[in-house]
Amino acid sequence: DAGITQSPRYKITETGRQVTLMCHQTWSHSYMFWYRQDLGHGLRLIYYSAAADITDKGEVPDGYVVSRSKTENFPLTLESATRSQTSVYFCASSERLQTSGISETQYFGPGTRLLVL
Amino acid sequence: RKEVEQDPGPFNVPEGATVAFNCTYSNSASQSFFWYRQDCRKEPKLLMSVYSSGNEDGRFTAQLNRASQYISLLIRDSKLSDSATYLCVVYSGNTGKLIFGQGTTLQVKP
Repeated sequence: DAGITQSPRYKITETGRQVTLMCHQTWSHSYMFWYRQDLGHGLRLIYYSAAADITDKGEVPDGYVVSRSKTENFPLTLESATRSQTSVYFCASSERLQTSGISETQYFGPGTRLLVL
Repeated sequence: RKEVEQDPGPFNVPEGATVAFNCTYSNSASQSFFWYRQDCRKEPKLLMSVYSSGNEDGRFTAQLNRASQYISLLIRDSKLSDSATYLCVVYSGNTGKLIFGQGTTLQVKP
C-alpha cells in the first residue's frame, strides 16, 4: 500500500538550476496538488490538477511548472531555482466524489526538503 | 488579512490538561472545515472534520460558529503524543481548494 510518494526526499541545488520534484500516487485519485510550507506562511498552494492534462494555478505559481500526462504522476519543476524557493514541498491527492465532484479530504506525501544555495 | 488565521502558539501544557485552539476565517462562503495534525517534519494528516452542530472524537471536540466565522478545537486530558502542530483548514467547494492556517503548536510536558 504505497499511497502517495515523493522523490527525492531531500535536494540541494544551486541558484539557476532546473529541479524536478516527483509525486506518484497509487489510488487513482483525480485531484493532485502541490504545496510549499514555509515558516510564517503555513501551507500555500502552488498548482493543482483536476485530472490528467488539466492543471491550474494556485496561490504562488510563479517560477514553477507542472504537468500531468498520467493520472498517477504530478511532477513539479522549478525552471530556474532561486533562494526564495528553499522550502518543504508537499504533494497531495484527493478523490472525486460522484455527487459534488470534489473530495474534501486530501492525503499528503512525506514531503521534499529543498535547499537552494 | 489572511483567509485563515490561527494563534501560532506555542501552547505548553502539562499532561492531563485541557487546551483549546481557535481559528477564524474570512470567506463567509466557505463550506467545510477541518483540523489537520502535523507532526514535526512530517506530512499533515486529517484529524477531524468540523460540523455546525459540533462533533467529538474521543478526547477531541471541534466546534464551528458560522455567524462569527470561528472554529475551535478542544483537547481534553492531553497526552504527550498530542504534541504536534494543529492546522485549521477551510474548504472552498467551488474551487476544490483547501486553505490552511499557519498552525498552532502544542507541546505537552510530563
